[in-house]
Amino acid sequence: TQLLEQSPQFLSIQEGENLTVYCNSSSVFSSLQWYRQEPGEGPVLLVTVVTGGEVKKLKRLTFQFGDARKDSSLHITAAQPGDTGLYLCTSGTYKYIFGTGTRLKVLA
Amino acid sequence: DTGVSQDPRHKITKRGQNVTFRCDPISEHNRLYWYRQTLGQGPEFLTYFQNEAQLEKSRLLSDRFSAERPKGSFSTLEIQRTEQGDSAMYLCASSPEIRGAELFFGEGSRLTVL
Repeated sequence: TQLLEQSPQFLSIQEGENLTVYCNSSSVFSSLQWYRQEPGEGPVLLVTVVTGGEVKKLKRLTFQFGDARKDSSLHITAAQPGDTGLYLCTSGTYKYIFGTGTRLKVLA
Repeated sequence: DTGVSQDPRHKITKRGQNVTFRCDPISEHNRLYWYRQTLGQGPEFLTYFQNEAQLEKSRLLSDRFSAERPKGSFSTLEIQRTEQGDSAMYLCASSPEIRGAELFFGEGSRLTVL
C-alpha cells in the first residue's frame, strides 16, 4: 500500500505569512492531487499534477510535483484566514489513498 | 444536479446497535467511494464501487462493515454491532470513470457510538 506522509501535521501562522506543506511517499505517483477540507464539509479539489517537475499556480497557492514524482509541495503566499483548513494530498489513482493531512490555522 | 448527498448527517447510537448510512452520488458518476475520517486525520479508504461492483474493500475493515450499491446508483454502508471505536465521520465521494478524475465528496455522516 502506498503511504503518503504529510508535514507538518499542524501549522498556526499569522495572516500575511508564507508557508509550505509537504507530501512524501516512498513510491512513485502516476499523478497527485491536493484537496482542502473545511470543518463540517467534505474535501474539495485544489489541483492535480501529473508530470515530474510540474509547477501549477492557483492564485496565492503554488503546487510543485517532484522530479521523481515521489513528493509534492504546496506553498501559500501571504496566507489569509480563509486559507484555514485541512490540506490533503492523495494519489490520483483508482483507490485514492489520502495522506495524513496538514491542519492549517491562519490567525487574523 | 446538487452534488453528492449523504444521510443522515448525524447519528448517535448505543454500542451494539446497527447503523446504516446512505450516499447518493452525482448521477453520471459510476465510481463511488467510502472513507472514514477521525478528527484532524486524513480520510481512510474503506471501499469503492464501479457501477454496482464492489472492486476493493480495505483489509482494515472488519466483517461488521458492509457496503452495497445494488443498482449502480445510491450506496449504503452498514455497520453491525457498533463499537465506540467506530465513532467517526463517514465520507462518500463519487467520480467519473477516468484515471485521476476529481473526487466529489458529500458532507459526511457523523457517527457517535455511546
